[in-house]
Amino acid sequence: NAGVMQNPRHLVRRRGQEARLRCSPMKGHSHVYWYRQLPEEGLKFMVYLQKENIIDESGMPKERFSAEFPKEGPSILRIQQVVRGDSAAYFCASSPPNSPQETQYFGPGTRLLVL
Amino acid sequence: AQSVTQPDIHITVSEGASLELRCNYSYGATPYLFWYVQSPGQGLQLLLKYFSGDTLVQGIKGFEAEFKRSQSSFNLRKPSVHWSDAAEYFCAVVPSGGYQKVTFGTGTKLQVIP
Repeated sequence: NAGVMQNPRHLVRRRGQEARLRCSPMKGHSHVYWYRQLPEEGLKFMVYLQKENIIDESGMPKERFSAEFPKEGPSILRIQQVVRGDSAAYFCASSPPNSPQETQYFGPGTRLLVL
Repeated sequence: AQSVTQPDIHITVSEGASLELRCNYSYGATPYLFWYVQSPGQGLQLLLKYFSGDTLVQGIKGFEAEFKRSQSSFNLRKPSVHWSDAAEYFCAVVPSGGYQKVTFGTGTKLQVIP
């Protein structure tokens, strides 16, 4: 059973470009969470999604950031018009449907660098 | 809102020595409690978790943690540290009952010296 997959592992963008981060949850998991980890800081919750639904996006910046988890395919975290402050590690986690937030399994992360 | 405090930003121990990493939480009821470990450039791996029952929980890699309700603490321990334990450790809490988001502590970086 493969773990949570994230790609790309590293992403370099110039200011103003778009960044798309992908997350494939563990098999059988229908809940996906995105977190951001700034240098020397802990993880900060961004958004919680189920298939085709955003359940909690209280941690998402109001502008430029969006997330989706379509019926088919991976979850996508999209950052438009990136700025240097978006440079961080972005982690995805997933959990099974019967214990949504209790135990989350994390992917290896995508490290975004904005030049 | 719940919060998690890891008061030690950086800890250095000698290989073979015992280890205790502190975690205190602030929440009205007993939350679910977790410890994760993150090696450099990697994601988070779950070490152990507490939901209810026995307050001393065993995890992977020889780690254990004890939930103390009176102190609102969930400290992580290991009797004998190995060089491969050098990593960053995060405590996390989730309020029990219904969905609420996970709150992570700021982490403790563990350095192991020979």
